Amino acid sequence: AQSVTQLDSQVPVFEEAPVELRCNYSSSVSVYLFWYVQYPNQGLQLLLKYLSGSTLVESINGFEAEFNKSQTSFHLRKPSVHISDTAEYFCAVSREGGKLIFGQGTELSVKP
Amino acid sequence: DAGVIQSPRHEVTEMGQEVTLRCKPISGHDYLFWYRQTMMRGLELLIYFNNNVPIDDSGMPEDRFSAKMPNASFSTLKIQPSEPRDSAVYFCASTSSGSGYEQYFGPGTRLTVT
Repeated sequence: AQSVTQLDSQVPVFEEAPVELRCNYSSSVSVYLFWYVQYPNQGLQLLLKYLSGSTLVESINGFEAEFNKSQTSFHLRKPSVHISDTAEYFCAVSREGGKLIFGQGTELSVKP
Repeated sequence: DAGVIQSPRHEVTEMGQEVTLRCKPISGHDYLFWYRQTMMRGLELLIYFNNNVPIDDSGMPEDRFSAKMPNASFSTLKIQPSEPRDSAVYFCASTSSGSGYEQYFGPGTRLTVT
């Protein structure tokens, strides 16, 4: 069975510092990988995704994630965070069939 | 496109009452998902449909919950009778097999059962 583990439930960080949100998954078959972001009182929005090809994927607001097949990881990074990045971040895995398996979420808190 | 539409956005009801949550998926999407989010349990998949047919309802908590998708543009999640422990935010999401299964979420319905 597939599962997703987000290793940190909360990550506090100061503004302009780098951040890494960790995600590991378990699956014996090829998967699609996603990071979603949820701002307070809103629904989930796709941040970035890996389907195939280059293992490094980027979002429009400076986040990037690298698919590491040998480590079964898909960690999310940003070199310099802003107050507006404060949100909950969810890692998810999917295989054919449309169903997503979500991690428990990581609450990123950016402090001035 | 307007995105996934959910109604109502907020619902407050008394224990024992019937609650109906509604969802309109993005046009052309052939998958529809219902999730529930609480602080204690996080994000849980309740049920999902493909081409209006329920595929997996193993996440539905109990018989008080039911979901239907009478056509490609409308789905309902019904709770009857409601209980305080059903208080949560309920999300609907949709996707298509041609989009790499990226799911698009609605804004959610915040349900409070008193």
